[in-house]
Amino acid sequence: NAGVMQNPRHLVRRRGQEARLRCSPMKGHSHVYWYRQLPEEGLKFMVYLQKENIIDESGMPKERFSAEFPKEGPSILRIQQVVRGDSAAYFCASSSDRASYEQYFGPGTRLTVT
Amino acid sequence: AQSVTQLDSQVPVFEEAPVELRCNYSSSVSVYLFWYVQYPNQGLQLLLKYLSGSTLVKGINGFEAEFNKSQTSFHLRKPSVHISDTAEYFCAVSEGGTYKYIFGTGTRLKVLA
Repeated sequence: NAGVMQNPRHLVRRRGQEARLRCSPMKGHSHVYWYRQLPEEGLKFMVYLQKENIIDESGMPKERFSAEFPKEGPSILRIQQVVRGDSAAYFCASSSDRASYEQYFGPGTRLTVT
Repeated sequence: AQSVTQLDSQVPVFEEAPVELRCNYSSSVSVYLFWYVQYPNQGLQLLLKYLSGSTLVKGINGFEAEFNKSQTSFHLRKPSVHISDTAEYFCAVSEGGTYKYIFGTGTRLKVLA
């Protein structure tokens, strides 16, 4: 009964490179959420996706950030041309159709931009 | 929720002592409330949740929380802590039962021997 899977767990990128973060939801879950946790802060909602659809991206920075959840495969959060301020922990959560308020979180990807 | 406030950023407590971690929120609509625990370099684990019904909610690892609507609070308590409870604790609110969680800034619980 695997939970939410995220990889990689740690990612180091130089300024200007691209970062790709992957999230596989729990079995039977079709809703995926991405959150960002900056140092010494709580988690902040970024985006909510269902298969092949972005439902709410109100928390995503306007530039360089994008997310997808294809029909097959994991959800991907992509950050282009990373900057030092992107260093954070990025958490993915998933939920079932019937209970979007009950989210299960993955272990997170810790991105460090050097 | 407009906001979720965890007033204490750090709480040191001796082993076997009781602890209360405070959480207050502001919202004009009904809310669902959650407490999560984050151990070092790990993800968030759900401790307990309040959706409706009894205002006293029991969770895992001996934790419980009480929903107080008039005071808009959802404080987390444990009567006797262990060293292994050392972690960061996050309060979260789902306004109107929606998917968009609002998190507090977290309380770092440090249990001392």
